[in-house]
Amino acid sequence: GQSLEQPSEVTAVEGAIVQINCTYQTSGFYGLSWYQQHDGGAPTFLSYNALDGLEETGRFSSFLSRSDSYGYLLLQELQMKDSASYFCAVRDPRGGYQKVTFGTGTKLQVIP
Amino acid sequence: SAVISQKPSRDICQRGTSLTIQCQVDSQVTMMFWYRQQPGQSLTLIATANQGSEATYESGFVIDKFPISRPNLTFSTLTVSNMSPEDSSIYLCSVEAGAGDTQYFGPGTRLTVL
Repeated sequence: GQSLEQPSEVTAVEGAIVQINCTYQTSGFYGLSWYQQHDGGAPTFLSYNALDGLEETGRFSSFLSRSDSYGYLLLQELQMKDSASYFCAVRDPRGGYQKVTFGTGTKLQVIP
Repeated sequence: SAVISQKPSRDICQRGTSLTIQCQVDSQVTMMFWYRQQPGQSLTLIATANQGSEATYESGFVIDKFPISRPNLTFSTLTVSNMSPEDSSIYLCSVEAGAGDTQYFGPGTRLTVL
């Protein structure tokens, strides 16, 4: 089966840098995605890593190490609006279609 | 990208009744996904709906409880049947669009069963 573990909560100061980790166990793997979800809102796509290394998109970066079954999301220059839940997700190519499994989620609180 | 709308946005229902949730996408997509999310929890895939074929259900979800329709490439419905308070949750419709693993989500339907 699939399992993706994340820290349940992280608190960081406005303007700082925070790293949200994701470790996964999957029977198949195409890549690691990250989603942001504000309270009461829908998840929105942030980034995707198919290969090892760092992907940068503005203040957000995402890293993947397939040999370690590990990835992280790095948020720089934190803003209050970054307070949200963050989910990693992997695609499982089983059964002829591609199912996406989401991680346990990390609630990020940005404080002044 | 894809813009997804869902109806209703929220509902309060009585035990034993059924609710049908509608999902409309602004572009044609092959697969549509239905998720359930308990408050403060992660997303759990209920089923994948392909146009023209039976939906594929994940472990723990059955067609009698969550029948799905997919009449065309832009629309799907999920019915929550014979509801109990344990079905109280947010139900989200999702599609894949664009490059990579990008999934787009509808705004969700917040269901409360009394």
